[in-house]
Amino acid sequence: QLQLQESGPGLVKPSETLSLTCTVSGDSVSSSSYYWGWIRRPPEKGLEWIGSVFYSGTTTYYNPSLKSRVTISVDTSKNQFSLKLSSVTAADTAVYYCARELMSFQHWGQGTLVTVSS
Amino acid sequence: QSALTQPASVSGSPGQSITISCTGTSSDIGNYNLVSWYQQHPGKAPKLMIYEVYKRPSGVSNRFSGSKSGNTASLAISGLQAEDEADYYCCSYASSYFFGTGTKVTVL
Repeated sequence: QLQLQESGPGLVKPSETLSLTCTVSGDSVSSSSYYWGWIRRPPEKGLEWIGSVFYSGTTTYYNPSLKSRVTISVDTSKNQFSLKLSSVTAADTAVYYCARELMSFQHWGQGTLVTVSS
Repeated sequence: QSALTQPASVSGSPGQSITISCTGTSSDIGNYNLVSWYQQHPGKAPKLMIYEVYKRPSGVSNRFSGSKSGNTASLAISGLQAEDEADYYCCSYASSYFFGTGTKVTVL
């Protein structure tokens, strides 16, 4: 059974880089059929797609509004994929989800709350 | 490009049917049959309910159905049940993914 689990610091200081990892079990991130994506939900707001990476790691695409600050990568040896968001502000406070994607987000992790505060 | 527009709230009594609309543009919903719908209960991860406009993943009740007309997609829930009370989001792919503003469904 496919499971995704987000991990990383729950508190990040303004101007620093937010780093999260999604560990996949029950499937391989190397599966050629899928992309792997990150989505977030700020408090009292709706869902926002951040970006996605193809299994090979060679193809990524990002939300245009975040593109200058986002990097998503794959580590096939650990069956993980990661998110880095630089120069964070309070507006980046959100629950961050990882998901398996194939033109829709089929399976989601439980999410992890990241708060940006000094 | 802005988020897709959904009504903030929709309500219905048990057993009734409701419909949630999702309005986009000719660049997203109107141009791609890649609309999906997600259900999110408080404190839980979103769950895929409909993909590619009308397709249901295995395990999703057939009380949920999706459709599209022009630039507007819709999610219908028939035989409303207490467990259907949640937030619902549409999503359209158009070189990027765009989520809707979200709709809170209340079962009266």
